[in-house]
Amino acid sequence: DIVMTQSPDSLAVSLGERATINCKSSQNLLYGSDNDNFLSWYQQKPGQPPKLLISWASTRESGVPERFSGSGSGTDFTLTITSLQAEDVAVYYCQQYSSTPPAITFGQGTRLEIK
Amino acid sequence: DVQLVESGGGLVKPGESLRLSCAASGFIFKKAWMSWVRQAPGKGLEWVGRLKSTSDGGTTDYAAPVKDRFTISRDDSKNTLYLQINSLKTEDTAVYYCTTIRWFGSFDNWGQGTLVTVSS
Repeated sequence: DIVMTQSPDSLAVSLGERATINCKSSQNLLYGSDNDNFLSWYQQKPGQPPKLLISWASTRESGVPERFSGSGSGTDFTLTITSLQAEDVAVYYCQQYSSTPPAITFGQGTRLEIK
Repeated sequence: DVQLVESGGGLVKPGESLRLSCAASGFIFKKAWMSWVRQAPGKGLEWVGRLKSTSDGGTTDYAAPVKDRFTISRDDSKNTLYLQINSLKTEDTAVYYCTTIRWFGSFDNWGQGTLVTVSS
């Protein structure tokens, strides 16, 4: 199985500053020849289900603020939140999909707090 | 708006069985690929399994730890997804989320979840 490892486990950032969360896959998540990666990012606020923020490693979902961005390819990925807002306090998860055989795994999560 | 409403959770004893339901609305259910994801109390997310639409074959895929005890099914006439869990174990204690899933593995809509507690 593909193992997803996030770093750090927790992070405290001041309001208005940048938050960076890393995700490393034990296998290459590249798909096809267009540099697409089977990598998604989710935000989970307390008492709520997760919310899809980014798919294909860098494609922001409709309605997700532009301060959220995803980058990376292959085995190393990053979620960046520029200008942190109070409402961004949450746990963030990366998630991979492998097609043969079909399997999905999540990172362990990164807890983001306000400093 | 897309709505996914899970039900059927509760307190059960080890070894018992349980069927969870997920009532879907706001989209064309019969065309959707569906999935279950669970989250143990205070822990991270764990994929349980996926069910393709009937028109795409209606096949299922499961996570290795659950594939012998869990069964996902659907009733397109009722816009409902099911998760049958047999031989429940204490480690199955979790909130079970019903989700829609894209072909490339992103979970784009989530229900609020239903809590299953396995304890003697």
